[in-house]
Amino acid sequence: ETGVTQSPTHLIKTRGQQVTLRCSSQSGHNTVSWYQQALGQGPQFIFQYYREEENGRGNFPPRFSGLQFPNYSSELNVNALELDDSALYLCASTDRGNMNTEAFFGQGTRLTVV
Amino acid sequence: KNEVEQSPQNLTAQEGEFITINCSYSVGISALHWLQQHPGGGIVSLFMLSSGKKKHGRLIATINIQEKHSSLHITASHPRDSAVYICAATFMYSGGGADGLTFGKGTHLIIQP
Repeated sequence: ETGVTQSPTHLIKTRGQQVTLRCSSQSGHNTVSWYQQALGQGPQFIFQYYREEENGRGNFPPRFSGLQFPNYSSELNVNALELDDSALYLCASTDRGNMNTEAFFGQGTRLTVV
Repeated sequence: KNEVEQSPQNLTAQEGEFITINCSYSVGISALHWLQQHPGGGIVSLFMLSSGKKKHGRLIATINIQEKHSSLHITASHPRDSAVYICAATFMYSGGGADGLTFGKGTHLIIQP
């Protein structure tokens, strides 16, 4: 079992609302990446945070935003929720300074937008 | 464009069979990951490779950098190995940094008793 924890585990929101998902990183890891996994699909990269700044971004609109805190934990915020935002949201932590570090994943947050 | 292709998409085998899942990627990578995802969503990292071969128990992962190809093998497969196996790559930025993982679509493996 990894030290990456995500909260909440399940969430139901209404279209147009805003949501915040949280992720703690593995001890010793300084980088957190967020992924969206739609049902039956592979995860898609949303963005990555390193040293409290966004360090890379996938093909997601600006209403997907994030934060990283000094303890390397991270938040994913999604504004103006759409039905297609329903998915499993995964975070993964790595050590940016060590290219041999494996990624540790959280269990995910399953978001349903109705 | 950074792409990761996996095959097969679905694989059903009998207990004890030798399993091979293949992965190819489009351009240079800094690392290739093999991951396991069980129903419910959690992902577990099995291997991270940049060259050669790694073994852990009944699992073996190999990578051929020249051919941009990796394989995951399961020896003496067991029903508890049933899961989705995902290949993912860390591609290099042109500036030398590392992006997030690019995932294949996964291989849904079922091992029947």
